[in-house]
Amino acid sequence: EAQVTQNPRYLITVTGKKLTVTCSQNMNHEYMSWYRQDPGLGLRQIYYSMNVEVTDKGDVPEGYKVSRKEKRNFPLILESPSPNQTSLYFCASRKAGTDTQYFGPGTRLTVL
Amino acid sequence: SQQGEEDPQALSIQEGENATMNCSYKTSINNLQWYRQNSGRGLVHLILIRSNEREKHSGRLRVTLDTSKKSSSLLITASRAADTASYFCATDVGSARQLTFGSGTQLTVLP
Repeated sequence: EAQVTQNPRYLITVTGKKLTVTCSQNMNHEYMSWYRQDPGLGLRQIYYSMNVEVTDKGDVPEGYKVSRKEKRNFPLILESPSPNQTSLYFCASRKAGTDTQYFGPGTRLTVL
Repeated sequence: SQQGEEDPQALSIQEGENATMNCSYKTSINNLQWYRQNSGRGLVHLILIRSNEREKHSGRLRVTLDTSKKSSSLLITASRAADTASYFCATDVGSARQLTFGSGTQLTVLP
């Protein structure tokens, strides 16, 4: 089944404890993105990647890192999480030359 | 900054009625897309309309686009309780940055 998977789905952590949210797609898509969703603000793009080893900042990159060492994976790294990073995070992928993004199920992160 | 802004923020209707949601955006676009999100879940693509199109249909969905007013509307006809969800418009300006989403309309369809 074609899909975007994220892990973990739920995470509660404490300020300053490094964490990684994984994202994987099995559709051989070139483009991948991370978004965060907060009430009243919709989805805001954190980082995106056009292909392996090519990444760039979105609208709200501060406090986040990403890497794209393989085409299928696009992990989101929070080196030192803070409470204002408590949010619902979505990974998405899209095939180059097409318009539709496919979203993962989301990761609900709480930073205490 | 957000490219798309939906209106209204929340909409409550009875089953069988039509639901109309509007989206305004700021810059020129390649296409505009509508997505649906059930509570706490990922977004699902509904329909796309290109900048050179004015209207598009898909099942019970009808999308219009007015590039002169930089606005779009999504009409869901004969709504069902299962249509209850948040609906987002997203604009594609044709760059590798991909989509910019609005803040969404929460639609509640009462049985």
